[in-house]
Order: sequence, then C-alpha cells, then structure tokens
Amino acid sequence: QITLKESGPTLVKPTQTLTLTCIFSGFSLNTSGVGVGWIRQPPGKALEWLALIYGDDDKRYSPSLKSRLTITKDTSKNQVVFTMTNMNPVDTGTYYCAYYGGYSGPFDYWGQGTLVTVSS
Amino acid sequence: SYELTQPLSVSVALGQTARITCGGNNIGTKNVHWYQQKPGQDPVLVIYEDNKRPSGIPERFSGSNSGNTATLTISRAQAGDEADYYCQVWDNFAVVFGGGTKLTVL
Repeated sequence: QITLKESGPTLVKPTQTLTLTCIFSGFSLNTSGVGVGWIRQPPGKALEWLALIYGDDDKRYSPSLKSRLTITKDTSKNQVVFTMTNMNPVDTGTYYCAYYGGYSGPFDYWGQGTLVTVSS
Repeated sequence: SYELTQPLSVSVALGQTARITCGGNNIGTKNVHWYQQKPGQDPVLVIYEDNKRPSGIPERFSGSNSGNTATLTISRAQAGDEADYYCQVWDNFAVVFGGGTKLTVL
C-alpha cells in the first residue's frame, strides 16, 4: 500500500524559504522511472504542478517557478524534500506530494496535503 | 507552454450523462489523466491514459481522447459525483493541469 504524507510549517513570512518534507511508504524511490511530485492548490483555485524527482535523481520543475524551486530525495529515509524560496502571499495554498509511476502516467497516489499560509 | 482548457462549470440532471471536456493542441497524441476532487478532500485519480479506470472507480466513469479534445464522461450521474474535475497531461517533461471544472448535479 502506497502512502505519502507532507509535513512542514503552516505559516511562513514573505521572502522566507518554504521547506516541506514528504515521507512515503509502499515503494522505493531508487527505481528509474518512478517519482514523487509536488503539486499545490491556492484556496478555491486549480491544481498547479511544481516539481518532480525521479528514482534516478533526475529532476523536473515547473518552467514558471523553476528559479525558486529545489527538490531532493533521501532514499534511505524514504523522504523527498521540497523548497521554494522568496515566498509571497500568492504562494498560500495546500501543498501536496504525490506518487508518479512513470511512463507519462498520472499521479496515482496523493498525500493529504498541507496548508501553507504566507503572511507577515 | 502547453495549455489545457476546461469549462469552468458543467451541470447535469440526476441520473443523466455529464461530459467534461479538456482542450489542448493535439491532445489526442498525449495520455490524458483525470482527477476528481470533492469539497474539502484530496484529488483522486478517476481515469488514466485516456480511458482506463483505477481499481475502485465505478464503470460510470469513462474517458475518450481525440484530436484537440479529451472528454470525461460520467453516466447516470449521482449527487456524490459533485466535485471539481481536473485533466492532466505530460508535455515536454513537464506536468500540465487543466483549470478544473465544477460539476453540479441538479
């Protein structure tokens, strides 16, 4: 059974860096092709893809946010860490991590999401 | 960058068929995935690779994809199908989501 769970701060100040951790189980992130992605959703708005890291450590980022994002993994701890710099109130929203099984497939399994508010 | 266009809202009478479209340039050449998100809940995959249903998803949910439009079809719509629906594709090693469609069951 694949599960994922996000953790991190619920409140960050403008200009600060957001760091979120995704702890997963039920799969290994050292297999080429599979991956863990991050998706966010501002309140009342649509899903927006942010980043994805593959088992072979290849990384992909949203072109519009690439300069602010970093994604890494710790296979031994079954963790993926996501950072977004220079946070702004418009970055407020629920941040999800999700399992990607490869082959241009979907995000099969999602975490419960964590709400991050950016405010001074 | 690649864009996916969905109608903001779709309404369907109880028991009738709802169709939610997802438009994109030559989307028929891509695998389209659909997610359902009920109010206050996390997204759930309901269709993958255009027309495949994950385990546990009712047969009432189906999908098609051709040309510039992919379609999610929900037959015999139920009150419990009220949700936001998002399409998603891969384009040039990036993930793209549609803007979402709110389905209302009347």
